[in-house]
Amino acid sequence: AQSVTQPDIHITVSEGASLELRCNYSYGATPYLFWYVQSPGQGLQLLLKYFSGDTLVQGIKGFEAEFKRSQSSFNLRKPSVHWSDAAEYFCAVDLDNYGQNFVFGPGTRLSVLP
Amino acid sequence: DAGITQSPRYKITETGRQVTLMCHQTWSHSYMFWYRQDLGHGLRLIYYSAAADITDKGEVPDGYVVSRSKTENFPLTLESATRSQTSVYFCASSSGGANEQFFGPGTRLTVL
Repeated sequence: AQSVTQPDIHITVSEGASLELRCNYSYGATPYLFWYVQSPGQGLQLLLKYFSGDTLVQGIKGFEAEFKRSQSSFNLRKPSVHWSDAAEYFCAVDLDNYGQNFVFGPGTRLSVLP
Repeated sequence: DAGITQSPRYKITETGRQVTLMCHQTWSHSYMFWYRQDLGHGLRLIYYSAAADITDKGEVPDGYVVSRSKTENFPLTLESATRSQTSVYFCASSSGGANEQFFGPGTRLTVL
């Protein structure tokens, strides 16, 4: 069955440190890939998306993600974390590339130490 | 204001009662979605709609009913609420294709 895994349930980093959140998917073809962020008590906001082309994509708030086909991964990175980045991060896969069939990972909660 | 709204934001109900969660979007998006969010599961799709009067089941549809008589509204009804339906419910909309889904602020539902 198609699935999206985020191996890290909770990550804590110090402010100013670099960040990498992992995402792996299990799917035969290359789906559309997304990262969303959810601040406490809020809905989800899109950080970035990958459809095709350059495997390194830039998003909002200084985030980037790299698609690696050989590893079925789409890891999210940020070179220097800010306290306001503390939130829940979700990787999502659009299985049919028509925008109808999203599968979300379980999420990674990011805590930022001052 | 333009966007996607959900009401109520918080709801407490009792087992066996009928509950309707409302979702309204002002973008005229074709697609609308209902998800539930539970710890450890991320978001799971309950139902989606590709257009007015067209709805289809998602991953976890049992116990839920949807309708879409107008493009901008997509209500979700729990006909007989159960404790297992205690969750945070998110509505989303999209113009379809390769475009992102836009999410509402969520409704926190507690079934006692």
